[in-house]
Amino acid sequence: QTVVTQEPSFSVSPGGTVTLSCGLSSGSVSTNYHPSWYQQTPGQAPRTLIYNINTRSSGVPDRFSGSFLGNKAALTITGAQADDESDYYCVLYLGSGIWMFGGGTKLTVL
Amino acid sequence: EVQLVESGGGLVQPGGSLRLSCAASGFTLSGNWMGWVRQAPGMGLEWVANIKQDGSVKYYVDSVKDRFTISRDNAKNSLYLQMNNLRAEDTAVYYCARWILDSSGLYYVGSWGQGTLVTVSS
Repeated sequence: QTVVTQEPSFSVSPGGTVTLSCGLSSGSVSTNYHPSWYQQTPGQAPRTLIYNINTRSSGVPDRFSGSFLGNKAALTITGAQADDESDYYCVLYLGSGIWMFGGGTKLTVL
Repeated sequence: EVQLVESGGGLVQPGGSLRLSCAASGFTLSGNWMGWVRQAPGMGLEWVANIKQDGSVKYYVDSVKDRFTISRDNAKNSLYLQMNNLRAEDTAVYYCARWILDSSGLYYVGSWGQGTLVTVSS
């Protein structure tokens, strides 16, 4: 069974740049998989960050951007801030009506 | 303002049933695919089910097939999740999700509820 892969954790310094990835256990991510990105802080509902590859949801700062890197979807934070410390999830469409979230990346800003 | 408000969560014994509701406001429910996403304690997000605008098409994650039923009442601006034969591993916060089709023909979750906690335990 196909699994959506994300780095379990990542660390970035304040002001630094970090790129999180969203891949497939088998195959390459493309627009056919409808990749999108979500941010979640503990105890809160998810917040939509990026859709349509690189379109920011309303109110999302422009330091967040999306792209494809190699065979994966990617979320880049440029100029990381302390309140970017969160869990980040991608979701992909696997076909036949089935969606799958990645396991999430816990981002630490320190 | 778009709002999704879940209700119906609680403590239920293994094998029991529960019905979750999601009240939508600020948009026309009949215009969107809707769905449920859950998150077990300390774990990641898991897509559970989706339902088409008119309720004619439904999809489920394998682990809930034949136990959960997603439904909607567009006239009441409401989404539902009937959960039967509940198991301990169904314990999670359940989020109502509004799926949006963007201008490029790609889907994403555009709105989230605050979630309702379901605990399956004896």
